[in-house]
Amino acid sequence: GDSVTQMEGPVTLSEEAFLTINCTYTATGYPSLFWYVQYPGEGLQLLLKATKADDKGSNKGFEATYRKETTSFHLEKGSVQVSDSAVYFCALSKGPDSSYKLIFGSGTRLLVRP
Amino acid sequence: NAGVTQTPKFQVLKTGQSMTLQCAQDMNHEYMSWYRQDPGMGLRLIHYSVGAGITDQGEVPNGYNVSRSTTEDFPLRLLSAAPSQTSVYFCASSSYGQTLMNTEAFFGQGTRLTVV
Repeated sequence: GDSVTQMEGPVTLSEEAFLTINCTYTATGYPSLFWYVQYPGEGLQLLLKATKADDKGSNKGFEATYRKETTSFHLEKGSVQVSDSAVYFCALSKGPDSSYKLIFGSGTRLLVRP
Repeated sequence: NAGVTQTPKFQVLKTGQSMTLQCAQDMNHEYMSWYRQDPGMGLRLIHYSVGAGITDQGEVPNGYNVSRSTTEDFPLRLLSAAPSQTSVYFCASSSYGQTLMNTEAFFGQGTRLTVV
């Protein structure tokens, strides 16, 4: 079946360090890919998305590129801040009529130290 | 801008008790879903609805019931709570995206449920 695999956390970085959180997926067809972020005590918020191969999603300094050849959607940020500390979830959906059944990875906790 | 509203935020139940988790959205979305979040397992889909009067099972439906009598509301019922249902529950809503441009799911703030 369809699935999403994320790197295990926690990831601990110093402020202004470079961030990569790996995400790979297994799915038939052409899924849409998402990164959601969960700040402490809050629900999930969409961070960025990409709907077709080679698309790059970006928001708040974060970027991820939909790589169909490697079935990956790695999250990157050039310089992290303490306020980026959160749990990051990679997810996929199978089309415009499937946004009600996202498939999530297990989440990666990021801790940024001053 | 209320978005998706879940109540209660916290709940402690005894084994065997029943309760209903409430979820309401004010964005006129067709789709609504319930997920549970457990450590190391991400979010897993419990039940979903593609419109009023239509519901279906997700990945982990056992022990839960849902109904969708209106577009706005999608309550989740625990019929006889078990310790294995201790989790954080999230409700989400979204709309059909013909162009893939509006397939974002909006989440509530979650309900932390403990069953003792």
